[in-house]
Amino acid sequence: EPEVTQTPSHQVTQMGQEVILRCVPISNHLYFYWYRQILGQKVEFLVSFYNNEISEKSEIFDDQFSVERPDGSNFTLKIRSTKLEDSAMYFCASSDDRGWVTEAFFGQGTRLTVV
Amino acid sequence: SQQGEEDPQALSIQEGENATMNCSYKTSINNLQWYRQNSGRGLVHLILIRSNEREKHSGRLRVTLDTSKKSSSLLITASRAADTASYFCATARLNDYKLSFGAGTTVTVRA
Repeated sequence: EPEVTQTPSHQVTQMGQEVILRCVPISNHLYFYWYRQILGQKVEFLVSFYNNEISEKSEIFDDQFSVERPDGSNFTLKIRSTKLEDSAMYFCASSDDRGWVTEAFFGQGTRLTVV
Repeated sequence: SQQGEEDPQALSIQEGENATMNCSYKTSINNLQWYRQNSGRGLVHLILIRSNEREKHSGRLRVTLDTSKKSSSLLITASRAADTASYFCATARLNDYKLSFGAGTTVTVRA
């Protein structure tokens, strides 16, 4: 069964450093997303991406964050100058275009720890 | 506005019993989806119910949707230890592909 894959599974970084989280969405999907889950809290929407551009972003997704689809398969989330509060599980998801109903498939997540 | 609030927050049941959890939301939706998350792991999609559907089944799972009450329930029948996980509802609004998640219900199934 096709799946969304994310790398790395765990990343530890020093405060102020830049990190890039990588995702390979399901190959025939057209919509890509990043969500995050701070430990013990809700899963929060960060950004959606369609047709090589951001289609929607949340208040969390400020100038510190950027997304890119550098080739036909990868979808990346870059966090510049990480802060302690960026520590969270980051989930990538993808969905196909089935009109008004979409089912999102999530990756296993990248646990980011900022120290 | 915050969508998808589940209750109870936590549920502990004996293997073989049924587990029921509820989700309430605030605005009109296109569909509602339930996900499972094992501790520290990814989100596994369980079932999607459209706004024009009232009930849906998948194996031991039964989901209902009452759009007049803006609520949904997830029933897991004949629970197993492997069902121990957190369960989240997530709503999608019309013309909006992003999902809004609730805080989840943590289910513990005792052997």
